[in-house]
Amino acid sequence: AQKVTQAQTEISVVEKEDVTLDCVYETRDTTYYLFWYKQPPSGELVFLIRRNSFDEQNEISGRYSWNFQKSTSSFNFTITASQVVDSAVYFCALNNAGNMLTFGGGTRLMVKP
Amino acid sequence: ETGVTQTPRHLVMGMTNKKSLKCEQHLGHNAMYWYKQSAKKPLELMFVYSLEERVENNSVPSRFSPECPNSSHLFLHLHTLQPEDSALYLCASSQRLAKNIQYFGAGTRLSVL
Repeated sequence: AQKVTQAQTEISVVEKEDVTLDCVYETRDTTYYLFWYKQPPSGELVFLIRRNSFDEQNEISGRYSWNFQKSTSSFNFTITASQVVDSAVYFCALNNAGNMLTFGGGTRLMVKP
Repeated sequence: ETGVTQTPRHLVMGMTNKKSLKCEQHLGHNAMYWYKQSAKKPLELMFVYSLEERVENNSVPSRFSPECPNSSHLFLHLHTLQPEDSALYLCASSQRLAKNIQYFGAGTRLSVL
């Protein structure tokens, strides 16, 4: 069985602060994929990143960065200099060789002006 | 225009009604998914279709009936629903299996009275 845990249900920051969203996963497979999605108030889940289990390099995309640590089964997401438009629910998800994406419970991020 | 379109965006129905949710994808994908997102639970996978055949059915009650007439369209037929079925229903599509990126629609917000 696989499981994704996002321990932070809600985070509130002030604009321009950096914020890290935690994601811890469990799987018995050696090959798997990790994802982050953003869900703004409009409802649509927007794909942010996919990382496979053999690639532990950290990734940076603009103000977004991801830290994959296989040793601690974590795939954390950092937003630098947060903006009000970053306010959304963020989901971490895991997939192995099968059809199913297992989602975490989500972290609601509120960025205040 | 988004790659995955869901209609209607909002639906209110009584427990004795029959209604259908529609999903259409314009991405050339051949796998489609229905998810349920309710306030208290993580995203739950309901159905998966790959090449128009159902490959996953996560013990969903029979009052939800999916239909996939071709690789671009997916329906969810609803009948005699319960108030606890009120939720956001999300459709997604991907290129074959779920290790590939799933792209989501904006969802149908369903209220059962």
